[in-house]
Amino acid sequence: SQTIHQWPATLVQPVGSPLSLECTVEGTSNPNLYWYRQAAGRGLQLLFYSVGIGQISSEVPQNLSASRPQDRQFILSSKKLLLSDSGFYLCAWKGSTETQYFGPGTRLLVL
Amino acid sequence: AQTVTQSQPEMSVQEAETVTLSCTYDTSESDYYLFWYKQPPSRQMILVIRQEAYKQQNATENRFSVNFQKAAKSFSLKISDSQLGDAAMYFCAGVYSGAGSYQLTFGKGTKLSVIP
Repeated sequence: SQTIHQWPATLVQPVGSPLSLECTVEGTSNPNLYWYRQAAGRGLQLLFYSVGIGQISSEVPQNLSASRPQDRQFILSSKKLLLSDSGFYLCAWKGSTETQYFGPGTRLLVL
Repeated sequence: AQTVTQSQPEMSVQEAETVTLSCTYDTSESDYYLFWYKQPPSRQMILVIRQEAYKQQNATENRFSVNFQKAAKSFSLKISDSQLGDAAMYFCAGVYSGAGSYQLTFGKGTKLSVIP
């Protein structure tokens, strides 16, 4: 069966510090991968998606970037965090069906 | 572009009773899929049920069922025999399968409370 992991689970970072969030998927090959952000009390916003290694599409211009160094690994990064980057970050994968399955998420608080 | 609207920010239901959460959507595409996701306090998004637009039969998963009205662009979720564990945020979402990204478009969510 497929599983999706995200880490860290919680992160508190100062403004201006770098960021690296990791997402890995097990039990599937060549998945589509997605990064979403959910601000407090709000819906989900798609940040990036990837259909293959090295292929990244950005949906929202921002302070963040994404990379996919391996088939089942998706990384969300920032060189300098802003207060507005605080939120809950969810990674998701999609296989051969149209359904996306989500990881447990990372809570990021920028102070 | 697709839009998804959930007009009920909060709902409550008595334990063991039935509740219906509303969702409307708008798309010009003919091939799309609709979903309901549950987000408990842990905040992980959990798939509840999915519906293919080309299927006329409403999807059912145990106590969860949908009322898919394609002409009205309505996709409501019915929870029968509500349990305390059903308390969560519920998000309606849609995806157009013709787009390469299969991007999900989410509604703003409905917070469901279950009263013991």
